[in-house]
Amino acid sequence: GEEVAQTPKHLVRGEGQKAKLYCAPIKGHSYVFWYQQVLKNEFKFLISFQNENVFDETGMPKERFSAKCLPNSPCSLEIQATKLEDSAVYFCASSQSGGYNYGYTFGSGTRLTVV
Amino acid sequence: QQQVKQSPQSLIVQKGGISIINCAYENTAFDYFPWYQQFPGKGPALLIAIRPDVSEKKEGRFTISFNKSAKQFSLHIMDSQPGDSATYFCAALWGATNKLIFGTGTLLAVQP
Repeated sequence: GEEVAQTPKHLVRGEGQKAKLYCAPIKGHSYVFWYQQVLKNEFKFLISFQNENVFDETGMPKERFSAKCLPNSPCSLEIQATKLEDSAVYFCASSQSGGYNYGYTFGSGTRLTVV
Repeated sequence: QQQVKQSPQSLIVQKGGISIINCAYENTAFDYFPWYQQFPGKGPALLIAIRPDVSEKKEGRFTISFNKSAKQFSLHIMDSQPGDSATYFCAALWGATNKLIFGTGTLLAVQP
């Protein structure tokens, strides 16, 4: 399809619980990106993939966050032992050529609320 | 050095008026500058983009003006309509890292 599909739309977790978010990129797009959007609209880059390989993970809090993009499966972002500060909207995006000419196509996001 | 500064934070424009949003960057390695439009509850959608070897790009009512020497670029929305009311983000792409850096957003309200 021509849209990036993110599931679930909303996720509520108690502090310390695990959260797992999913993203199906557009077919044919070889790059996948995860961003975190916090209350003041700030977009924080988390991680990017080129096909199933990690391309850039400089934004990932590695002690609790992990991500995968395996062949023939949706990409996933997992947060172990969630904290209140993890409450945000998590966006996945994909692109054909790394961003030039076509930009990124974003999904509608997963709103994570940690209580 | 990786920041993209955006202003104003919010903007109110009358229907039919011109909306102008400004951005500035420091890193000269940025080589692609897109603008995104985001409606509540949705992901950002690409609106228009420019490369630094071009000073202006126009698509319909939307124009990007780019000043490479000043490291500034702006979005102009001509004949603004209530349906344009959204949050607008400028961004800059660093090709070597393939990372899109976003500005802080401008909430635009177009009054009928």
